Amino acid sequence: AQSVAQPEDQVNVAEGNPLTVKCTYSVSGNPYLFWYVQYPNRGLQFLLKYITGDNLVKGSYGFEAEFNKSQTSFHLKKPSALVSDSALYFCAVRDKAYSSASKIIFGSGTRLSIRP
Amino acid sequence: ETGVTQTPRHLVMGMTNKKSLKCEQHLGHNAMYWYKQSAKKPLELMFVYNFKEQTENNSVPSRFSPECPNSSHLFLHLHTLQPEDSALYLCASSQDHSSGRARETQYFGPGTRLLVL
Repeated sequence: AQSVAQPEDQVNVAEGNPLTVKCTYSVSGNPYLFWYVQYPNRGLQFLLKYITGDNLVKGSYGFEAEFNKSQTSFHLKKPSALVSDSALYFCAVRDKAYSSASKIIFGSGTRLSIRP
Repeated sequence: ETGVTQTPRHLVMGMTNKKSLKCEQHLGHNAMYWYKQSAKKPLELMFVYNFKEQTENNSVPSRFSPECPNSSHLFLHLHTLQPEDSALYLCASSQDHSSGRARETQYFGPGTRLLVL
């Protein structure tokens, strides 16, 4: 069975400070990992993904995430937060062993709030 | 942003009404999905279509009926809904590998905000 956890419902950061949004996963095999962002009244927007290779993945809007196999984590990071980064962030995982397109599991989401 | 479109963006319906949600993808993908997003709950996968064939139905009540006439269009037909069905309904698409190894990113539409009275 596969699962994904986002332990924080809300993260508050001052503008200009670094931010981290946490994600841990559980799969029986090797994972594909994704981060999505959702702005108010919008659908989910792809940020970045880890498939294989370099553990540090760079994505849109200056975000990056580090795949840590030993800690089964895929935390989202940004060196300097912007007020416009305020949104709902979703981590998602798919087990490489699954061939079905549908076997992607989303976390419950973390609301990121950046104060000026 | 315009790769996956959904209409209508907002819908209010009574429990006895029949309505349909429409999704269209302009990305040339071969897989399409319906998700339900309720407040403070994880995203719930409802239906999956690969090459126009339904491959997954995650125990969705029969008052939700999907239709995929071609690989670019996906509908969700609604009838006799309940107030607890009020949610944001998201459509997504992806390009599955012909080998069956699905790893590609899903691209989402803006959603239809549904309110059932």
